[in-house]
Amino acid sequence: AQSVTQPDIHITVSEGASLELRCNYSYGATPYLFWYVQSPGQGLQLLLKYFSGDTLVQGIKGFEAEFKRSQSSFNLRKPSVHWSDAAEYFCAVGALYAGGTSYGKLTFGQGTILTVHP
Amino acid sequence: KAGVTQTPRYLIKTRGQQVTLSCSPISGHRSVSWYQQTPGQGLQFLFEYFSETQRNKGNFPGRFSGRQFSNSRSEMNVSTLELGDSALYLCASSPDLQALSSYEQYFGPGTRLTVT
Repeated sequence: AQSVTQPDIHITVSEGASLELRCNYSYGATPYLFWYVQSPGQGLQLLLKYFSGDTLVQGIKGFEAEFKRSQSSFNLRKPSVHWSDAAEYFCAVGALYAGGTSYGKLTFGQGTILTVHP
Repeated sequence: KAGVTQTPRYLIKTRGQQVTLSCSPISGHRSVSWYQQTPGQGLQFLFEYFSETQRNKGNFPGRFSGRQFSNSRSEMNVSTLELGDSALYLCASSPDLQALSSYEQYFGPGTRLTVT
């Protein structure tokens, strides 16, 4: 079965510290990978995406993520966290299967809540 | 460009009633997907529409239905509401210029549905 795992439910970091949020996926097809951020009561904002090519992708707000096929991982990183980064982060995967039966479906991890201490 | 808009933002309904939620995608986007978000189950895919056709459907009962209009706007309907339908319902649009871009989704703010 297809699945996305975010092992850390809650992470706390100090402002200015580096951040790494983990994401592992289990997919039979070539995955398309995304990170989203959600502030309380809001929708999801796309931070970055990976379809193919360079395995290190840059996103908005200073975030980057690295796709490691051998580890089935797509971890999100930021070198220096700001208080405004406090939110919930979701890793998501889409996969194109023969017959197009997977169109428009993203499978999400359970999310990681990020708390930033001043 | 304006983002994805959803109306209403908040809704309170009683068990047994039905509800219709609306979604207007980003201009030029032709694919619309719907998700249900709850604390217990997280984000779950409901269905996806493209050119007024449902191309994909998640594992939800038939009480959940949707449609898409010729201008790409979409509605979802939930009939015979149950307490467990209380959730944030999110709509996302994507350009779908090619098959894989149906996954590059931009989300609206959601509709918070409370069933009492």
